[in-house]
Amino acid sequence: DAGVIQSPRHEVTEMGQEVTLRCKPISGHNSLFWYRQTMMRGLELLIYFNNNVPIDDSGMPEDRFSAKMPNASFSTLKIQPSEPRDSAVYFCASSLVGVQEQFFGPGTRLTVL
Amino acid sequence: AQSVTQLDSHVSVSEGTPVLLRCNYSSSYSPSLFWYVQHPNKGLQLLLKYTSAATLVKGINGFEAEFKKSETSFHLTKPSAHMSDAAEYFCVVSLKRGSARQLTFGSGTQLTVLP
Repeated sequence: DAGVIQSPRHEVTEMGQEVTLRCKPISGHNSLFWYRQTMMRGLELLIYFNNNVPIDDSGMPEDRFSAKMPNASFSTLKIQPSEPRDSAVYFCASSLVGVQEQFFGPGTRLTVL
Repeated sequence: AQSVTQLDSHVSVSEGTPVLLRCNYSSSYSPSLFWYVQHPNKGLQLLLKYTSAATLVKGINGFEAEFKKSETSFHLTKPSAHMSDAAEYFCVVSLKRGSARQLTFGSGTQLTVLP
């Protein structure tokens, strides 16, 4: 069982650059969640998808952030342009629709200089 | 509105002594509650969950939590701490938003285990 896979595990970029984070959910799971974790704000839900459809993106901080789920086995979170305050660990999680426990990936640690 | 409060940001115990991590919740109806653990540089792992069945819930690695409605609490315990238990622990409430459920995380408790 591969679990939720995220790439890259670490990303260092310069302010203004585009950043793309990737997630592969557990096979068979049909809900996917993107979270951001910072010291100041803890864990925040950014957006989630059910059956590849975005359901609630109210946690997305601003228009610089976008997320897509083109198929059941892949999702991206894009930040364009990136800013230093976007530095955080970004987690992807998946679950079955209607099942409450979520399974988390190892996270992507993003540093924007 | 639903929320969850972890009462201690840091807890330090000696190896072999009991662990108590406190969590209080607020909910307008019977909530579903979880404890997740996060080891350094790792993702979150589900420890245990309460979903309106037995009030005493057993999880992995010897952890337990008791749902007490009268106290609106869901404290996490373990009889004897092990060095490998050092991690951050999150109390989580399942929040219903629209037709779906989402998780709302507490601020976390960092557990240190001293030799």
